[in-house]
Amino acid sequence: GDSVTQMEGPVTLSEEAFLTINCTYTATGYPSLFWYVQYPGEGLQLLLKATKADDKGSNKGFEATYRKETTSFHLEKGSVQVSDSAVYFCALLGDYKLSFGAGTTVTVRA
Amino acid sequence: DAGVIQSPRHEVTEMGQEVTLRCKPISGHNSLFWYRQTMMRGLELLIYFNNNVPIDDSGMPEDRFSAKMPNASFSTLKIQPSEPRDSAVYFCASSSETLKSQPQHFGDGTRLSIL
Repeated sequence: GDSVTQMEGPVTLSEEAFLTINCTYTATGYPSLFWYVQYPGEGLQLLLKATKADDKGSNKGFEATYRKETTSFHLEKGSVQVSDSAVYFCALLGDYKLSFGAGTTVTVRA
Repeated sequence: DAGVIQSPRHEVTEMGQEVTLRCKPISGHNSLFWYRQTMMRGLELLIYFNNNVPIDDSGMPEDRFSAKMPNASFSTLKIQPSEPRDSAVYFCASSSETLKSQPQHFGDGTRLSIL
């Protein structure tokens, strides 16, 4: 079945550091891929998406590229802010079901 | 635009009591999902409705859990009787269609504590 594996956290960074969170997937067919972000006490918010191979999703300075050859969708941001502290989830959409990674907690220190 | 609205935001009750969680999806969305989030299991899909009809309830833990969607703008998740192991954050999500490119939009969740 479909599954997502993302790097374990927690990740602690200083402001303006470079962030990367690895995500790999296993799926049949051609899934869509997403990154969701969850701030404390809130629901999941869609951060970015990619629907086919080589697509690059981007939002709020975050980027991720759908790599079919490596079955990966790594999240990157060149210069993080304290406000980026949150839990980040990689997700794969099959027919209708979202398969989530375990989540990576990111803490950015001023 | 209003997002997915869940109520209550927090619920604390004693074991054995009936718990009802409510969800109003985004207007025009025809797919609705209930998820449970725990530290141990992460995010689990409990049930999926399409056009108000339950399509996949394989994630519903046991008979104590039931979900309904009487119309396109309202859904409930009921636990009766509740047990301490049901303590979790329950999320409702909706999407406009079930094609692959459409993301699911999540509510802020109901934090449920069963004492």
